[in-house]
Formats: sequence, structure tokens, C-alpha cells
Amino acid sequence: IAGITQAPTSQILAAGRRMTLRCTQDMRHNAMYWYRQDLGLGLRLIHYSNTAGTTGKGEVPDGYSVSRANTDDFPLTLASAVPSQTSVYFCASSEASGMGTDTQYFGPGTRLTVL
Amino acid sequence: GQNIDQPTEMTATEGAIVQINCTYQTSGFNGLFWYQQHAGEAPTFLSYNVLDGLEEKGRFSSFLSRSKGYSYLLLKELQMKDSASYLCAVRKTNAGKSTFGDGTTLTVKP
Repeated sequence: IAGITQAPTSQILAAGRRMTLRCTQDMRHNAMYWYRQDLGLGLRLIHYSNTAGTTGKGEVPDGYSVSRANTDDFPLTLASAVPSQTSVYFCASSEASGMGTDTQYFGPGTRLTVL
Repeated sequence: GQNIDQPTEMTATEGAIVQINCTYQTSGFNGLFWYQQHAGEAPTFLSYNVLDGLEEKGRFSSFLSRSKGYSYLLLKELQMKDSASYLCAVRKTNAGKSTFGDGTTLTVKP
């Protein structure tokens, strides 16, 4: 079982370009999340999805979009990248069954640099 | 909204005990998490508290006081590998998204 995978591992991108970060989980979790983590700071929620077909905005959604066409995949798109979007991006998932701890499991992260 | 405060950095000696505090202000509460994050890696789950009191799991324990909006993570018998960032996160509903603090970077010295 792989858990959560993210691609690419790292990317250098020119400002103004479009970029999609991929995230796939094989745990059949209902909920998925995208966070960004800037140097020395905690995780800030960009977008989330409580179940396939639904999405919601987090704390810092501007400049990002997501889709959740199926349970396993939750891509994050930067329509026109800007240097302030340079960060490490983590995807996470949780069971979100309404019972139990509902721990979040994190992917390995994508390090994105926008020049 | 939610405000979560943690010390930025802490230093402790190998074999010692360290307590990392987290205070929060939230309009709703349904659980507090602690995650560990080694440099360059993803966060991993350490503990979860939803009721007041102490939860013990090996060398790590976590405490919660909902009336005070306060939690701490206690690490005993510190090892060098415990050098990491420790993130406190609060959840408002019984499932789904949490809000994270900025994390406490713990350095364990010989």
C-alpha cells in the first residue's frame, strides 16, 4: 500500500505559467486536503474536499483551484503562478467517517519554486 | 476564526523531559492533534485529545484542558531523533479539516 503519493517531487516554474500538482491516495479516504508550508511556518489549508464531487476553500485559496472527480485523486492547479506561491505543498487525506480520530495522512510534499 | 500559539523553538538535552505548550482560541472544538515533522519530511500523527486529561503513548503524552484552551505534548527520555518540529492542530467538527499552529522546533543536544 503506497498511502499518498504526490507528483512532481519538485518543480521550478516561470511566473505566469500554469501548473498542476498531482495527489493520489489508495486508502479510500473520503476527505482530502491541500496545504502549503512556507519556511519556518505551519501548514495553511488551501482547499479541501470532504467527499468525491465536493470541494471547499481553506484559509489561503486565492490563485489555486482543485477538483475531486473521484475518491483517489485531488489535483491542485495554479492557473498563473506568481513568486509568492513558492512553497512546499502537502496533500493529505483522512477517513472523515464521523467516527474515531480522523487522523490526517500526509504525502511526501512537492517543493515548488516560482521565478 | 482560530488562533493557535506555540513557542517557536525549544532546546533540551538527550535523556531529559520536555513539555511543548499549545494554546488555542476557537469558536468550536472537536479535537486537538499533535504531529511530528522532521526537516524535509511530511508531518506524521503523534496524538489526539478530545476530552480533558492526559493521553499516554510510550515516551509521548498529550494533555488537554478545554476550559483553558490549552494542551501540551510531553516527551520523556529524549533521544536525538526527537529533534523535529511539533505541530499543534485544532479541529472544529467531528471530521475533516484542522487549523495548524506554526509549530515548535525542538533541538535535542547530547
